Amino acid sequence: DTGVSQDPRHKITKRGQNVTFRCDPISEHNRLYWYRQTLGQGPEFLTYFQNEAQLEKSRLLSDRFSAERPKGSFSTLEIQRTEQGDSAMYLCASSPGGRISYNEQFFGPGTRLTVL
Amino acid sequence: DAKTTQPPSMDCAEGRAANLPCNHSTISGNEYVYWYRQIHSQGPQYIIHGLKNNETNEMASLIITEDRKSSTLILPHATLRDTAVYYCIVREVTGNQFYFGTGTSLTVIP
Repeated sequence: DTGVSQDPRHKITKRGQNVTFRCDPISEHNRLYWYRQTLGQGPEFLTYFQNEAQLEKSRLLSDRFSAERPKGSFSTLEIQRTEQGDSAMYLCASSPGGRISYNEQFFGPGTRLTVL
Repeated sequence: DAKTTQPPSMDCAEGRAANLPCNHSTISGNEYVYWYRQIHSQGPQYIIHGLKNNETNEMASLIITEDRKSSTLILPHATLRDTAVYYCIVREVTGNQFYFGTGTSLTVIP
């Protein structure tokens, strides 16, 4: 257990529905990341927050995806009008920032999304 | 995009050392080498990282060649619980995201 928690762990939804995932990072970490992982592939970067500011977004993050970190603590990732291609594991990670050379990321267990 | 090349799979006998290679021939001077692993259905777990010197911690050793174009992760006494996908990643000092690639699937055999 890295101290990063995600909820729910599993989500099954029908195509066209909206879903929201939550990530609670390690409390003193000011950086938070979202990744997506499909079967047989490594995680792919989606977006990054430093405190409450969203500083970087991947081109994978279509306009149906939105992420927030309103108070610089927990974060939510919402997918609107889900498609079958959105089926994947969604991973959250956090890091302390500060000393750049030691900027390892601690990952949560992930939320597995299945779109029917 | 991933800047590393790893073999897709490897086997190792339990109790023996597992040596996982990684090529990163285009690495630049300000890029670190990180290793993560992912056990089935879990999030990636940090193992070790280094710039140019060899590094060792309680989990593994990282050997980086003098020209920094390749590295080897060494698990000194592999156990069945070390069966996982191992990712070698290079990242700039100021970088934020990790590019994972497809990694090496290590199977430790009893």
